[in-house]
Amino acid sequence: GAVVSQHPSWVICKSGTSVKIECRSLDFQATTMFWYRQFPKQSLMLMATSNEGSKATYEQGVEKDKFLINHASLTLSTLTVTSAHPEDSSFYICSARVQYGTTNTGELFFGEGSRLTVL
Amino acid sequence: AQSVTQPDIHITVSEGASLELRCNYSYGATPYLFWYVQSPGQGLQLLLKYFSGDTLVQGIKGFEAEFKRSQSSFNLRKPSVHWSDAAEYFCAVGASGGFKTIFGAGTRLFVKA
Repeated sequence: GAVVSQHPSWVICKSGTSVKIECRSLDFQATTMFWYRQFPKQSLMLMATSNEGSKATYEQGVEKDKFLINHASLTLSTLTVTSAHPEDSSFYICSARVQYGTTNTGELFFGEGSRLTVL
Repeated sequence: AQSVTQPDIHITVSEGASLELRCNYSYGATPYLFWYVQSPGQGLQLLLKYFSGDTLVQGIKGFEAEFKRSQSSFNLRKPSVHWSDAAEYFCAVGASGGFKTIFGAGTRLFVKA
């Protein structure tokens, strides 16, 4: 299947600093990527849809000025947590949808996830 | 609106026993249905998917799922569970055309020796 790589896997930062997480599609082009947040023992919460070459679409309740998303190329989307605080500590997961020809199957391929801890 | 319900927060089965994880969905049209598995601290891996056709779909690792439109269900099954199957399982519903994929709350599977 398609491969999505996420980096870093773990990051610890001080409160008030910014952290960037990268999501790359390694063997396919992803015009759309998705960013999820997962709290311990909970499901995935969709934060935003990242569209290549345009602004991200944020879900209701997600602060777009805190969670900056950039999708500058067909293989890379980044999530920057700005001025991070302890409550931003979470597991962040990206995913990409593969399109086969003109068929969009809806199937998602996920990165390995990034564990953010804000001290 | 799309929604997914996984009624069981956690399930414990003995190694070698059969397994069924329940999933009910709500969607206005024929949905795209998925089961994903997540090991601790890891991303999600697709087990199987249903788009159309045969309502019994086979996936990886010996898993299968059956789409029942009349019951709006897509239950995941495995005839004989292995200890390595212990993980979190998520049912998801989505659609083509870039629509969002919605995940259920997940079911944690514990396997006892």
